[in-house]
Amino acid sequence: DAGVIQSPRHEVTEMGQEVTLRCKPISGHDYLFWYRQTMMRGLELLIYFNNNVPIDDSGMPEDRFSAKMPNASFSTLKIQPSEPRDSAVYFCASSLRGPYEQYFGPGTRLTVT
Amino acid sequence: KNEVEQSPQNLTAQEGEFITINCSYSVGISALHWLQQHPGGGIVSLFMLSSGKKKHGRLIATINIQEKHSSLHITASHPRDSAVYICAVRAWGAQKLVFGQGTRLTINP
Repeated sequence: DAGVIQSPRHEVTEMGQEVTLRCKPISGHDYLFWYRQTMMRGLELLIYFNNNVPIDDSGMPEDRFSAKMPNASFSTLKIQPSEPRDSAVYFCASSLRGPYEQYFGPGTRLTVT
Repeated sequence: KNEVEQSPQNLTAQEGEFITINCSYSVGISALHWLQQHPGGGIVSLFMLSSGKKKHGRLIATINIQEKHSSLHITASHPRDSAVYICAVRAWGAQKLVFGQGTRLTINP
């Protein structure tokens, strides 16, 4: 298996623009997680899905952030409008149900100028 | 107070030294994870444990459920071990992870 795939790997955009990050989980995994990593706050959970259904979005910072999982093999995290404080590395991870490891994607480094 | 606390935050050592990174948590957990992140790199899961001890090569992870404490040890450290090591816990009944702030390890040759 190719592992968790994220695109793009790097994104530079101007404040106010819409940004869409993409994730393809490992085939057969039930859970998909979106994380944000910054120097100040470390790794934070934004939202996670179980069988394509959002379970906990309490970490989504504000209404500018939205996430979807239209099918078992694809998820998006959208920021509209983007702001400089959204600059971070965004990771997607997937896992099987239960006490299993989470497998992380390579991350998307987002820079909002 | 964070649910997961790691110490030290930064650690610099010489090649060959024995390394210990500590993790304390405040909630009941079903599992604890140790993750590794190299500079500019992705995140790799090293261990997942709920009791006792696990060993993989030069890395050893232990957990004491009663004390709510885990340690990650590296024997015969090498410069390639330089990375950020992150402790994360899964609370009982939850699927999501709560992360420590990470320990930045630098091994000098």
